[in-house]
Amino acid sequence: ETGVTQTPRHLVMGMTNKKSLKCEQHLGHNAMYWYKQSAKKPLELMFVYNFKEQTENNSVPSRFSPECPNSSHLFLHLHTLQPEDSALYLCASSQEGLASDSPLHFGNGTRLTVT
Amino acid sequence: GIQVEQSPPDLILQEGANSTLRCNFSDSVNNLQWFHQNPWGQLINLFYIPSGTKQNGRLSATTVATERYSLLYISSSQTTDSGVYFCAVTGNQFYFGTGTSLTVIP
Repeated sequence: ETGVTQTPRHLVMGMTNKKSLKCEQHLGHNAMYWYKQSAKKPLELMFVYNFKEQTENNSVPSRFSPECPNSSHLFLHLHTLQPEDSALYLCASSQEGLASDSPLHFGNGTRLTVT
Repeated sequence: GIQVEQSPPDLILQEGANSTLRCNFSDSVNNLQWFHQNPWGQLINLFYIPSGTKQNGRLSATTVATERYSLLYISSSQTTDSGVYFCAVTGNQFYFGTGTSLTVIP
């Protein structure tokens, strides 16, 4: 699938760095999501934006800061991360937000390593 | 939240074999999807199937919503089928299972 594009694909950063992950969807969807996938764990929902408004923040530490300038773009700003934040970060979109019956479409993910 | 259990957790198949993956969920859901995550991490939609049966080539899925389970059938497996298969359901948010890791050997 090429409807949801994430950059970069891989990122290595030190604990004092600041970096950003980018997600863009070309599907005309109204809801966008950030998920974290750690080894041997279910995907964890981090943030949800519906029509550019944040509707969910699942107790995510403040070192992760989302930004949704419009319905097609979603960013995840990272600063002072910890090694345990190393994971695959996945962006997804759907026509409507949570509790709807519209399917999720995922990007390829960003493999983040914090050193 | 809704509990999602997938079985088996790991599966090794000889190329050409058939398999059935199961997803049980603990409450009524609006939406159920099956995904395949390839070795590069990409999650690909297989089926959007809140109820009924769908088929797509060698894959098919059946969801029995009243009994809170879904099955994914893979027939004539190929090495490219290897990866992790996830089931996800929605109540007030999407809940994912821990996946079935499938390895197809030539």
